Amino acid sequence: AQTVTQSQPEMSVQEAETVTLSCTYDTSESDYYLFWYKQPPSRQMILVIRQEAYKQQNATENRFSVNFQKAAKSFSLKISDSQLGDAAMYFCAEGMGGADGLTFGKGTHLIIQP
Amino acid sequence: SQTIHQWPATLVQPVGSPLSLECTVEGTSNPNLYWYRQAAGRGLQLLFYSVGIGQISSEVPQNLSASRPQDRQFILSSKKLLLSDSGFYLCAWMQGFVTEAFFGQGTRLTVV
Repeated sequence: AQTVTQSQPEMSVQEAETVTLSCTYDTSESDYYLFWYKQPPSRQMILVIRQEAYKQQNATENRFSVNFQKAAKSFSLKISDSQLGDAAMYFCAEGMGGADGLTFGKGTHLIIQP
Repeated sequence: SQTIHQWPATLVQPVGSPLSLECTVEGTSNPNLYWYRQAAGRGLQLLFYSVGIGQISSEVPQNLSASRPQDRQFILSSKKLLLSDSGFYLCAWMQGFVTEAFFGQGTRLTVV
């Protein structure tokens, strides 16, 4: 069974600084996708960034980028120039859909200090 | 564009009462549909999965059931709620084995 581990229950960063959220996963699949979702206080799940496992190039979306280490099964999220609106729960997820859907980690609560 | 609707947003129900949460998807056909439960500190737990009308797979044994009476409608039910059923429930859809899950706005269920 797939597992996703987020070892940081909570992180705090000063506004405008950079923060990295950690995620490791375990899967027996050779082809899969990795995701970071943001859940603000409204609790709406919002996709932040997506990485296809067969692509070696790290995905980037504006201030958000990932460090994907396939051999180590590591998928960290870097947020540059942190903004107050980045404050939320962040969930790492892995999967291909189908019967298993996506497997989620327990989340990291990100606090942005003004 | 595709949208997903989930209701109600909040619900307070007494122990032993029935439950019905509804989710509908617009703008796509034959989606894979999912019910997740989010408990504090435990991430999202997959409860049910459906690939088509009348086809339901359960991931964990529990007091809940799911049904898919129409292609784009997914319902989460219970005949008698337990205190442990309290939580935040999320409906999601994915198009086959494609790239990401799209979520509804969720239902906060409190069983008292």
